[in-house]
Amino acid sequence: AQRVTQPEKLLSVFKGAPVELKCNYSYSGSPELFWYVQYSRQRLQLLLRHISRESIKGFTADLNKGETSFHLKKPFAQEEDSAMYYCALVNFGNEKLTFGTGTRLTIIP
Amino acid sequence: DAGITQSPRHKVTETGTPVTLRCHQTENHRYMYWYRQDPGHGLRLIHYSYGVKDTDKGEVSDGYSVSRSKTEDFLLTLESATSSQTSVYFCAARTGYDEAFFGQGTRLTVV
Repeated sequence: AQRVTQPEKLLSVFKGAPVELKCNYSYSGSPELFWYVQYSRQRLQLLLRHISRESIKGFTADLNKGETSFHLKKPFAQEEDSAMYYCALVNFGNEKLTFGTGTRLTIIP
Repeated sequence: DAGITQSPRHKVTETGTPVTLRCHQTENHRYMYWYRQDPGHGLRLIHYSYGVKDTDKGEVSDGYSVSRSKTEDFLLTLESATSSQTSVYFCAARTGYDEAFFGQGTRLTVV
């Protein structure tokens, strides 16, 4: 069974400080992992996916298969980064899309 | 909005009544999903569809059923609503290796 774990429900960071949101997964196959973000009163949207290896809004995430992790990082937090962040995994065998419990990030001015 | 529309957006219903939520997509996505979002639980998969008339259960499927008779519509039915089903429900759709696109959410209150 596939599972996504986000250990931090809440995270507060000062503006300008580095941000790291943790994500661990369990999955027997080759995972396709994503980070989605939900800003206040908006629908969920894709932030980034590991296969594209690109940086979006200054965020990056590296897949570490040894540690089964896909942590999201940003070197300098901005106030507009305050949002709910979800890590997600797709099982291409059965097309099941599983999300973690989410981390609410608050940037302190 | 990536062509995903949920209806209704808000609903208040009484315990024991049936409720159907609709997800409509215009982009011909093959896979569709229903989630519920609750504080502390994140997004939990209720049911999903991998094609017309092909559906499977998620992790919290008890008390819910789904139907997909055509590509663009995915219906979620609460057979007999209970207070524990008060939640925000999200529909999502995706194709192949693409990202999932989400609806605006439906806030359901069971009183």
